[in-house]
Amino acid sequence: AQKVTQAQTEISVVEKEDVTLDCVYETRDTTYYLFWYKQPPSGELVFLIRRNSFDEQNEISGRYSWNFQKSTSSFNFTITASQVVDSAVYFCALRPYNQGGKLIFGQGTELSVKP
Amino acid sequence: EPEVTQTPSHQVTQMGQEVILRCVPISNHLYFYWYRQILGQKVEFLVSFYNNEISEKSEIFDDQFSVERPDGSNFTLKIRSTKLEDSAMYFCASSEAARDRGNYGYTFGSGTRLTVV
Repeated sequence: AQKVTQAQTEISVVEKEDVTLDCVYETRDTTYYLFWYKQPPSGELVFLIRRNSFDEQNEISGRYSWNFQKSTSSFNFTITASQVVDSAVYFCALRPYNQGGKLIFGQGTELSVKP
Repeated sequence: EPEVTQTPSHQVTQMGQEVILRCVPISNHLYFYWYRQILGQKVEFLVSFYNNEISEKSEIFDDQFSVERPDGSNFTLKIRSTKLEDSAMYFCASSEAARDRGNYGYTFGSGTRLTVV
């Protein structure tokens, strides 16, 4: 089965705190792609990162960082020094290889950053 | 930066009516998709479309749904007889073919919020 689990439904932090959003995936494919999207209150889906299954190098982009661990099938997302503008729903998604390009989304984690 | 454009942004329709949601994908993209998000829930794949035919569809995409690329630019999703449970945000997306067949991203539109009353 192909599945993405984001066990944290809601997280609330105070501005400047660090926060990690968890993502665990299931797939039998050896080649696959993982994504994170941000959905602010306005509703659009904002692309954050794409990672393929052969690249386990962690990535940092400003205050954002991603930790990909194939051994635990996890692709966690950390926001350092959170800001109120980070408040949104964050989705992790999996694209299995050679399946018509569909994305399988997790349930999403609603992050609320309070001033 | 190129965008995927969806119209209308919000549509209200009576139960049982047909509705057509429109999308203009990025011009050099070859793969097109529709996703649905019921309020407060996850984003769900409906259908992917390539070379003028459906390449994959989900269980949600039953006979009430159809997709079409009527001209060189538009990509439409039709719901023949809407039900209350079709109320959702519908996202269109497109992607380009890549040399590495799997290594491509998506551009999502801003969505059409469909309300069935």
